[in-house]
Amino acid sequence: GAVVSQHPSRVICKSGTSVKIECRSLDFQATTMFWYRQFPKKSLMLMATSNEGSKATYEQGVEKDKFLINHASLTLSTLTVTSAHPEDSSFYICSARVAGNTDTQYFGPGTRLTVL
Amino acid sequence: GENVEQHPSTLSVQEGDSAVIKCTYSDSASNYFPWYKQELGKRPQLIIDIRSNVGEKKDQRIAVTLNKTAKHFSLHITETQPEDSAVYFCAATNGAAGNKLTFGGGTRVLVKP
Repeated sequence: GAVVSQHPSRVICKSGTSVKIECRSLDFQATTMFWYRQFPKKSLMLMATSNEGSKATYEQGVEKDKFLINHASLTLSTLTVTSAHPEDSSFYICSARVAGNTDTQYFGPGTRLTVL
Repeated sequence: GENVEQHPSTLSVQEGDSAVIKCTYSDSASNYFPWYKQELGKRPQLIIDIRSNVGEKKDQRIAVTLNKTAKHFSLHITETQPEDSAVYFCAATNGAAGNKLTFGGGTRVLVKP
């Protein structure tokens, strides 16, 4: 149980295009999902907290117009990187918290974004 | 906000020996402390967690201890095996702001056969 999937696993796009990443909780409902960015050999940096049915809460320094988050259902959150540039290239990972369980987060497998 | 420091950043041990990773946190209200294991290019996997009402928790070869007074917690891996080689992250949360986790910087563990 508690499986989180992400799609796509890898994406290469041209500079200036937008990329959408999906995060799904497969066997549980998640009222809260989190989006992280991870640079090579670095820790996980929280970008935003995604709440089902409401606006996401962004961490300081993260541009909300650049990284659009939508959490339309209890099993799906999406992150759209708009007008991507090479500096947006990174490993993006989502996590989901089981509804009713205030603590445990389960992570998706991550999406490696490369912007040319 | 919460700040989590993790040491050491790299740890090399001989197979069969023990490995210890230490983390300190700044927010005395933090009450949940998970540990994640991440292999190269893979997702972080929860390996053990501890809540603030418990001082120690063990699961087979891994254990976590928590000292609330000193605001530090540690991961102990005994009888290390090559498959324990990975990056380990500690984290903490006080339950606020959607229960967001603050992560330590990570420890790269290498178990030499």
